[in-house]
Amino acid sequence: AQKITQTQPGMFVQEKEAVTLDCTYDTSDPSYGLFWYKQPSSGEMIFLIYQGSYDQQNATEGRYSLNFQKARKSANLVISASQLGDSAMYFCAMSVIQGAQKLVFGQGTRLTINP
Amino acid sequence: NAGVTQTPKFQVLKTGQSMTLQCAQDMNHEYMSWYRQDPGMGLRLIHYSVGAGITDQGEVPNGYNVSRSTTEDFPLRLLSAAPSQTSVYFCASSYSNNSPLHFGNGTRLTVT
Repeated sequence: AQKITQTQPGMFVQEKEAVTLDCTYDTSDPSYGLFWYKQPSSGEMIFLIYQGSYDQQNATEGRYSLNFQKARKSANLVISASQLGDSAMYFCAMSVIQGAQKLVFGQGTRLTINP
Repeated sequence: NAGVTQTPKFQVLKTGQSMTLQCAQDMNHEYMSWYRQDPGMGLRLIHYSVGAGITDQGEVPNGYNVSRSTTEDFPLRLLSAAPSQTSVYFCASSYSNNSPLHFGNGTRLTVT
């Protein structure tokens, strides 16, 4: 069975600083994908970034990058130059890449950006 | 570009009542799924579908039914609502099993 662990229930960061949100995962399947989603206070789920288990390079999307350490089974999200609008819940999720897409989510990290 | 549309946005039910949460997508995605979000527990998969006519159970399927008669629609039925089903429900669709999920805006359900 797959499992996602996010150990930081909440984080407080000063505006313009970089922030790392931790995510560790557990699976015995060699082929999987890792996702990060943002959920602002308005409630919608916003896709941020994706990393496949066979991808050689860490994924990047604008200010977001994924620090993928396969041997440690970690997939940390790095947000550079944080902005007030980054304040939200952040969820790490994993899906085994075979058959149906069934995401397993972590419990989330609430990020607060202070001015 | 509507994406994934969920209705209603809010619903209050009494224990024992039944209802259907509607979900429609206009992106021609084969994969659709329903998740529930409870405080402190992230999102959990209820049911999913890999195409019209094909559905299967997720992690927390008890008390819910689904059907997929068309590619576009994937309704979730609560057969006899219970207070434990008070939650926020998200419908999602995706192009393939390693592409991002597109989420609807959610339905906040309260069962009294």
